[in-house]
Amino acid sequence: GDSVTQMEGPVTLSEEAFLTINCTYTATGYPSLFWYVQYPGEGLQLLLKATKADDKGSNKGFEATYRKETTSFHLEKGSVQVSDSAVYFCALSGPPKKSSGDKLTFGTGTRLAVRP
Amino acid sequence: DTGVSQNPRHKITKRGQNVTFRCDPISEHNRLYWYRQTLGQGPEFLTYFQNEAQLEKSRLLSDRFSAERPKGSFSTLEIQRTEQGDSAMYLCASSPNGQGKSYSPLHFGNGTRLTVT
Repeated sequence: GDSVTQMEGPVTLSEEAFLTINCTYTATGYPSLFWYVQYPGEGLQLLLKATKADDKGSNKGFEATYRKETTSFHLEKGSVQVSDSAVYFCALSGPPKKSSGDKLTFGTGTRLAVRP
Repeated sequence: DTGVSQNPRHKITKRGQNVTFRCDPISEHNRLYWYRQTLGQGPEFLTYFQNEAQLEKSRLLSDRFSAERPKGSFSTLEIQRTEQGDSAMYLCASSPNGQGKSYSPLHFGNGTRLTVT
């Protein structure tokens, strides 16, 4: 079945440092790929997405590129801020089906802590 | 857009008791999902509704779990004879009906945290 593997945390960085959180996936067909973020005390929010190979998703300074050849979707940000401290989840969704809608399969999450 | 609403936010119950959670999706969304998230893990899919029809159930959804969406609007998730292993955050999400083959993003509620003592 479909699965997502992401790097374990926590990741601790100083403000303005470069961020990479690795994510690889296993899926049949051509899934859509996502990064969700969960800030303390809040629900999951979609951060960015990519729906086909070589697409780059971007939002709030974060970027991730859908790499079919390496089955990866690594999250990057050039300069992190304290406000980026949160848990980041990589996820995939297979082609939409009547029986499962847009069901997501998540990785285990990576906690990011940014120090001032 | 008032977002996905879940109640209660927290529930503490004793082992063996029954509990019920409620989810109110975004009003125009006809797709509704339940997930379970344990500490240090990502959300795990439990079940999916399109309108009032429950179209998929995970094998994680044992026979002690039942979910309903009687009028295609709000949904309830009931756990009977709770066990300590049921302690988790239960998340609800909704999405609009997809247009053809395009993906529709899921909107998540803040979850109901269940503690079974």
